[in-house]
Amino acid sequence: SQQGEEDPQALSIQEGENATMNCSYKTSINNLQWYRQNSGRGLVHLILIRSNEREKHSGRLRVTLDTSKKSSSLLITASRAADTASYFCATDGPNDMRFGAGTRLTVKP
Amino acid sequence: EPEVTQTPSHQVTQMGQEVILRCVPISNHLYFYWYRQILGQKVEFLVSFYNNEISEKSEIFDDQFSVERPDGSNFTLKIRSTKLEDSAMYFCASSKTRDTQYFGPGTRLTVL
Repeated sequence: SQQGEEDPQALSIQEGENATMNCSYKTSINNLQWYRQNSGRGLVHLILIRSNEREKHSGRLRVTLDTSKKSSSLLITASRAADTASYFCATDGPNDMRFGAGTRLTVKP
Repeated sequence: EPEVTQTPSHQVTQMGQEVILRCVPISNHLYFYWYRQILGQKVEFLVSFYNNEISEKSEIFDDQFSVERPDGSNFTLKIRSTKLEDSAMYFCASSKTRDTQYFGPGTRLTVL
């Protein structure tokens, strides 16, 4: 399976702190994407990083990719209560995308 | 900003019945997908669709399931003879290329 596996499963932090979530996968990929899901809602695309990229930024988000270790991390800086959600990585193989189980982030005000 | 829409938002059906879940992808997108998420579990890929045919399907997508693009805008998922374990959120997604997928808000299917 090409799916990503997130770590930790759950993370609870205070508003203003940084949150780091990790993703590992098993096979070669074309790109890796991070999505966010608020409870009971659809997934919202956050950021895509290609296999030839090592780091990417988007606002308060920073994503790294280490293809040698088959891992990625998502850093959310200066977290806000509104960042409370589940975060998924998804790996894109030749034909389809696979999601991991997600990290449930809770940001306490 | 264009978005993927799905109807209905919640579908309740009796076991054994057939349901059709509907999606309207973003208009200039070429690739279409269905995923499901059983409550509290991960998002699972079901099927991808391109150029009016299935391009990839998972082991979940057996003969009970079918997809169709009946016209230029709708993309449907039919589930025949529903089972209790089919209860889940079903998400449609579309993409212009094979990269970023844009998800709809989902249809909650409850099989009684």
